[in-house]
Amino acid sequence: RKEVEQDPGPFNVPEGATVAFNCTYSNSASQSFFWYRQDCRKEPKLLMSVYSSGNEDGRFTAQLNRASQYISLLIRDSKLSDSATYLCAVKRTGNQFYFGTGTSLTVIP
Amino acid sequence: EAGVAQSPRYKIIEKRQSVAFWCNPISGHATLYWYQQILGQGPKLLIQFQNNGVVDDSQLPKDRFSAERLKGVDSTLKIQPAKLEDSAVYLCASSRGGQGLRPYGYTFGSGTRLTVV
Repeated sequence: RKEVEQDPGPFNVPEGATVAFNCTYSNSASQSFFWYRQDCRKEPKLLMSVYSSGNEDGRFTAQLNRASQYISLLIRDSKLSDSATYLCAVKRTGNQFYFGTGTSLTVIP
Repeated sequence: EAGVAQSPRYKIIEKRQSVAFWCNPISGHATLYWYQQILGQGPKLLIQFQNNGVVDDSQLPKDRFSAERLKGVDSTLKIQPAKLEDSAVYLCASSRGGQGLRPYGYTFGSGTRLTVV
């Protein structure tokens, strides 16, 4: 079983829409959780960490459900510039990072 | 702060040839990771170093891949001999390490795009 699983999409949404991505992880010992953004032909870059109580950064909201072992990312009021692949990542003890396959988002004018 | 440096940026080789990639992590970052990212997939962890020791190499195909991090700074990843399915982007990342919730400055290099023909 994969450490981290994501729906690869693609998600095609109109500008201004709200879109949500989910990600599940298999190891209950996973310590911390992140969302990364990856633009075409670029390296992944940290979008936000995911805290147990949920956290928000502007139009982006991240949630963690440890009981069900999933994390989510909600993007409100989508912009054209949000088009990218969104990767979830989990960190285990020993600083091991595992990534999901990524979810492709295209925001359409 | 200078980023993670990788070279070469691109490499095209024939199958059965050898290839090596180089990574220079951010200064002071104890932990270094090599990932393989095949087109359309997420990064797959190949090997993780803590200083010059290996923490995790469970997904490294050891019959053809090898990696080292001499002196706990720079690292090289080698493939010998290469196969067509090794075509991917090889990403290096580094972090300050340590326990806790933060990614501790976890940063990717821009990667080496390998094409095996």
